[in-house]
Amino acid sequence: DQQVKQNSPSLSVQEGRISILNCDYTNSMFDYFLWYKKYPAEGPTFLISISSIKDKNEDGRFTVFLNKSAKHLSLHIVPSQPGDSAVYFCAASARYGGSQGNLIFGKGTKLSVKP
Amino acid sequence: DADVTQTPRNRITKTGKRIMLECSQTKGHDRMYWYRQDPGLGLRLIYYSFDVKDINKGEISDGYSVSRQAQAKFSLSLESAIPNQTALYFCATSDRTSGSLDEQFFGPGTRLTVL
Repeated sequence: DQQVKQNSPSLSVQEGRISILNCDYTNSMFDYFLWYKKYPAEGPTFLISISSIKDKNEDGRFTVFLNKSAKHLSLHIVPSQPGDSAVYFCAASARYGGSQGNLIFGKGTKLSVKP
Repeated sequence: DADVTQTPRNRITKTGKRIMLECSQTKGHDRMYWYRQDPGLGLRLIYYSFDVKDINKGEISDGYSVSRQAQAKFSLSLESAIPNQTALYFCATSDRTSGSLDEQFFGPGTRLTVL
């Protein structure tokens, strides 16, 4: 059963508007969450992360929000740019839950930002 | 120069052949990982190694083996390749001593096709 779910395989947004990518998880032991970005023919690259002790983390145009009670996190990109077009993976880890900090990935959401 | 390199970048082989995918890193990280990515399935962990003497199975290790020849090198072998092992394979590294324990750095990937 999937522990990290990204239910939207794709998202299309106009340049300059907000992109919101969603991620749900089922394992309450997860205490650290990451977003990775992947361009075609390249490996995933780390984008932003959040610890379970926080509910928001911001880095420039990228903000991640965590709602622990709902087991839900989201990535906001404002304003969206055409160069943001990529596949975004949500990942989670349980540092103290026996998985030794290994990452569990969602299936990814393909974001397309239209000029 | 890339910090995490993978060779080959592309490989086409036939069913039953033995294949080795290699990964090298110059980041000085102690932890290394092998993932596969299939369309619509995200990244799934095959094997991971926390140091040269510590090798662990991941979610989908059947049909694969690994070797950690040195801290900087981690190879993945398919002893007898089968068509459903056709996928994109990624190597990744992380640093136990880093403040961002869970952040992993990925190589560019190897596209493997088994005919």
